[in-house]
Formats: sequence, structure tokens, C-alpha cells
Amino acid sequence: AQKVTQAQTEISVVEKEDVTLDCVYETRDTTYYLFWYKQPPSGELVFLIRRNSFDEQNEISGRYSWNFQKSTSSFNFTITASQVVDSAVYFCALSEINAGKSTFGDGTTLTVKP
Amino acid sequence: EAGVAQSPRYKIIEKRQSVAFWCNPISGHATLYWYQQILGQGPKLLIQFQNNGVVDDSQLPKDRFSAERLKGVDSTLKIQPAKLEDSAVYLCASSLEGVLGNEQYFGPGTRLTVT
Repeated sequence: AQKVTQAQTEISVVEKEDVTLDCVYETRDTTYYLFWYKQPPSGELVFLIRRNSFDEQNEISGRYSWNFQKSTSSFNFTITASQVVDSAVYFCALSEINAGKSTFGDGTTLTVKP
Repeated sequence: EAGVAQSPRYKIIEKRQSVAFWCNPISGHATLYWYQQILGQGPKLLIQFQNNGVVDDSQLPKDRFSAERLKGVDSTLKIQPAKLEDSAVYLCASSLEGVLGNEQYFGPGTRLTVT
């Protein structure tokens, strides 16, 4: 069975600090996809990034970066120089090809204080 | 491009009553998902449609929940009768194809309170 664990329930940082959100997953499939979504206070989940299991290259997009390590089954998300607008709940999700559905973690609530 | 539309945005009902939620996905998106998000938890998939066929409904409580997607476009999720534990936000999402690698686009959700 697939499982996604986001051990950090809440994180609070001061603006301009760097912050890393952890995501650990479990799967028996060799082919799968990993995602990060952002849920701002308005409530609508927004897609941030997708990674397939064969692509372990790290990715950087502006202040956001993602570190995918199959050896540790982790897909961590780092925000550099955090801003107040980054305050939201962030979800990591896993989609297995064979299971045919997506599983979300319980999310990490990030609060960035000015 | 219009996003995923859901209605109503809020609903308050008493236990044992019935309720229905409506979702209109992004035009051209073949796959439609209904999720239940309980406060403090991640979204849990209830049912997934590919066009108007069901791909996965393994976590749908079929004794009280039902969903349909007529003509492969709009979808309706119904709860009958509702229980207190059904209080949650019901999210609809859509994606381009049935391939799992495609990102999902979410609607604003319907917040259901069962009293």
C-alpha cells in the first residue's frame, strides 16, 4: 500500500529564513509520481511540481527547490528566503501506476512571520 | 481558462438529511476526482472518473455516498443520509488525461457541516 508521511505538522519561521518541508513515501511500485501542492488560506490547492520515479534530478524554480532521493524515499521541498505570502499548508502526494490513485500526506502548515 | 467550478461553497445540514455537490471540471479534462478533506488532514480520494466511467471508488462509502458523471463532463456527489463524521471539505479536481503523471487542478471545495 502506498503511504505519504509529512512528519512536520507545523513550522513557523521569520521572513527571509530558509525552510525545508519533509516528505517520506512508501510504495512497492517502481514507477510512480510525486507531487507538491500548496493550499493557501483561501483553500484552493495549487500544483507546484511533479517528479517521476526515474528522474532524480533536483529542481529549482525561483525560491523553490526540490530534493528527490529514492534511496531514502524522500521528496523534500525547500523555500529560500521565505516570504509572508508563502504561508500556507503544503501537501506532498504520491501516485502509483499500478494502484491507480493518488495518496496525499496530511500536510505541513507553514507560517512565515514578518 | 476557467478553473474547476464547485457549488455550493458552504452547506449546513442535520444528520440523516441528504446533500448533493456539483462540480464542473476544466474544459477538455477527461479525468475527474472527488476528495474528502477532514480538518487537519490531507485530501482522501473518494472516487475517480475517466470520462464517464469509474476508475477507482475503493474508498467511497457506498452505503451512503454516490457519484455520477453524466456525459463525461459535470459530476454530482451525493450523501444520503449524512452522518456527523461527514463534516469536511469536499474537493473536486480534474486533469487532462487518465495518466497519473498529470497534475490535478482543484476547485475551491464545498464545506459541509453536519449537525
